[in-house]
Amino acid sequence: DSGVTQTPKHLITATGQRVTLRCSPRSGDLSVYWYQQSLDQGLQFLIQYYNGEERAKGNILERFSAQQFPDLHSELNLSSLELGDSALYFCASSVDGTNYGYTFGSGTRLTVV
Amino acid sequence: DAKTTQPPSMDCAEGRAANLPCNHSTISGNEYVYWYRQIHSQGPQYIIHGLKNNETNEMASLIITEDRKSSTLILPHATLRDTAVYYCIVMYAGAQKLVFGQGTRLTINP
Repeated sequence: DSGVTQTPKHLITATGQRVTLRCSPRSGDLSVYWYQQSLDQGLQFLIQYYNGEERAKGNILERFSAQQFPDLHSELNLSSLELGDSALYFCASSVDGTNYGYTFGSGTRLTVV
Repeated sequence: DAKTTQPPSMDCAEGRAANLPCNHSTISGNEYVYWYRQIHSQGPQYIIHGLKNNETNEMASLIITEDRKSSTLILPHATLRDTAVYYCIVMYAGAQKLVFGQGTRLTINP
């Protein structure tokens, strides 16, 4: 157990739907990062939050959004889902927003049918 | 961020040392070398990082050449559980995100 908790572990949904992925960072970590891993794209950085504020943005689609709440957990919202959104979504956390000591969760596997 | 080059795949016999190379010829003076690995579809796992000096921890050793243009991750006694994709990443310590390349798929054979 890495200390980073992601729920749900698996999610199957239909095209056009909206889903929310949840991440609880390791105790004491202020930064949360979201990554997408599809078969043909590798691990792609989506977005980072630090203590509730957006800190960095990667190749995140406009249909996707995220936020970090006062208790530091984060949610990734994916809407108008397409088949190509099927992927593993990982959350990682770190203490202070630097990249030393990223801890990743076990991921959410999203299947869009 | 400096670009890294890793072989796409490598094999190693169980019990032997696995040496994974990484080239980063455009690395800047204050960029660190990080290694992560991903076992099957699990979340990536931090292994080790270094700036100039060689580093060792309970998982691995990191050897960085004097000119810092390349490095080698050494798993001293590889086991079947070390089969994974290994990522070499070069970044500033204060950078906002880890950028993963394609990595090296290491297969440990019995």
